Amino acid sequence: DQQVKQNSPSLSVQEGRISILNCDYTNSMFDYFLWYKKYPAEGPTFLISISSIKDKNEDGRFTVFLNKSAKHLSLHIVPSQPGDSAVYFCAASEQWGKLIFGQGTELSVKP
Amino acid sequence: GAGVSQSPSNKVTEKGKDVELRCDPISGHTALYWYRQRLGQGLEFLIYFQGNSAPDKSGLPSDRFSAERTGESVSTLTIQRTQQEDSAVYLCASSPQGADNQPQHFGDGTRLSIL
Repeated sequence: DQQVKQNSPSLSVQEGRISILNCDYTNSMFDYFLWYKKYPAEGPTFLISISSIKDKNEDGRFTVFLNKSAKHLSLHIVPSQPGDSAVYFCAASEQWGKLIFGQGTELSVKP
Repeated sequence: GAGVSQSPSNKVTEKGKDVELRCDPISGHTALYWYRQRLGQGLEFLIYFQGNSAPDKSGLPSDRFSAERTGESVSTLTIQRTQQEDSAVYLCASSPQGADNQPQHFGDGTRLSIL
């Protein structure tokens, strides 16, 4: 049973526009969420995180929003750049920092 | 570099053979994790080490899988009598203390292919 879900396997956007990647979770006990970016043949790279005591966290072009009542989070990338093309994973942190990952969304940013 | 290092980067072996995968975490990181990513899937947790102890082995899929860590550093994941369903990318990650609000740093993984 998937506790963290990314329902869109792929997303395509134009360079300069906003990319919005979505993630849903089922366990209301999760209190820390992370987004990772992954290029082919490389390990995931940490991008941004958010604690459940916040509803927004921003870092440069990247903003993560958390809606606890809906058990939903989203990653916004503005403006999108071709170098942002990668697979993005949403993850929730459990005990010991163990991560529960979604299936990933492949973002393609077209020039 | 100072990142997480995994070896080998690729491993092809015949069904039924044993394989050993190695992870060198970031120096000083006490927490070490192993994950597996099957084709088209997200990462699934296998095992967590704090120092040389493994308080959470809940993700190991069968008793053919085992792992150890020595010197609070290097970890090895061993798969005995490999099966085709073991084909995946095996990723190792480390973090400073294993707190649930600490991002993990990942290696580039070992791509395991079972013929």
